[in-house]
Formats: sequence, structure tokens, C-alpha cells
Amino acid sequence: DAGVIQSPRHEVTEMGQEVTLRCKPISGHNSLFWYRQTMMRGLELLIYFNNNVPIDDSGMPEDRFSAKMPNASFSTLKIQPSEPRDSAVYFCASLRGSADTQYFGPGTRLTVL
Amino acid sequence: GESVGLHLPTLSVQEGDNSIINCAYSNSASDYFIWYKQESGKGPQFIIDIRSNMDKRQGQRVTVLLNKTVKHLSLQIAATQPGDSAVYFCAENNAGNMLTFGGGTRLMVKP
Repeated sequence: DAGVIQSPRHEVTEMGQEVTLRCKPISGHNSLFWYRQTMMRGLELLIYFNNNVPIDDSGMPEDRFSAKMPNASFSTLKIQPSEPRDSAVYFCASLRGSADTQYFGPGTRLTVL
Repeated sequence: GESVGLHLPTLSVQEGDNSIINCAYSNSASDYFIWYKQESGKGPQFIIDIRSNMDKRQGQRVTVLLNKTVKHLSLQIAATQPGDSAVYFCAENNAGNMLTFGGGTRLMVKP
């Protein structure tokens, strides 16, 4: 099993640029989560999809952030325009069924200069 | 809002000793708890879970204890090894499939 796949692993960009992070969940998992991790705030849930439909996006910081899940095997998190305070590690996780374990990807380390 | 509480303390143990990492949660309605291990540069990795109808669950070298009366969760690691050095997070499921994570505890194993 390949696990959750995220790309890119590292991204360095300049303030104002658009950033797109990608995630492929584990095959057969029907829920997908995007998290952000920083030293100051720890792990924060940004958005949660179930069967490709956004269920809870209350964690999305502001309108600059958007997420899509066009099919069961792919999701994107987009930041436009990016700001230095968006610098963090962004994780994608997937889950099969309900009240089950979430499996995390390796993360994307984003640096906005 | 309610949250699982940990503010990244550090636990330092000697190799071969047992480790105990604690976590306090505040939502009495939470019915599922998970411990994750996160090594530097990697994503959180599942270690062990427990449902609220249990008070103890054992895995390989790890045991999770749940005390619902005082809303406390602990992770015990037997015969701690250098490879156990990482940050450990507890998480609770209290709203559908969404988890609330604690701040984490850093475990350092001295050879």
C-alpha cells in the first residue's frame, strides 16, 4: 500500500504567488483531511471532505485558501495570494469508514518569502 | 472550544526504561482516542487507539490507558528504544470523523 501521497514535498515561493498543494489519499478511503502544522499553533484542521464533498471548512483561515476534491483519488489545497504567515507544513490525511484511524501523508513544507 | 490538552513538554528517559506520556481531554462526549508518533520531517504515524468502552488496550511494547472519570489518557512504552524518540500526540474524536489534537510531547531517549 502506497499510503497517502503528497506533492510537492517542499515549496519555496514569494509573497503574492499562488501555491497549489496536492494529495492522493489511500485507495478505498472515503474521507480526506487537510491540516496545517506550525510550532505556534500545532496541528490545525483546515478542511474535511467525505465522498469528495466538503463537510467542514471552518478551519480554513481566510478566502485566500481554497480546497477541491474533484474525484476520490485527488485533492488540492490552493493559497492565492500566499503570505509569509502561511509558511508551515501542510498535511493531508485519509480515512476509511467512520470513527476510524486517519492516516497521514509525509507533508508539504511551504516557505513563503 | 473544548480541546485535548498538551503543550509540548519534553520527557527524557534512559534507553531500556519505561515511558509514560499523559494527555488530558475535556470533551466527555469523545468516544475514540488515538496516539500518533511524529518523527522529524515526517507525518504523524498511528501507534494505537482505544474506544470509550474500554479502559486499556495493549499493542507491541505500547499500552494505552483511558480514565473517563478524570478524562485522562496515557501512553506507556515499554523498554524505550532510541527509535522511539519523537513527538507524541493524542487525539480525540468528538464530532463525526474529525479529530482534535493535543499539542504534543517530545520524547527523548538517552543511550
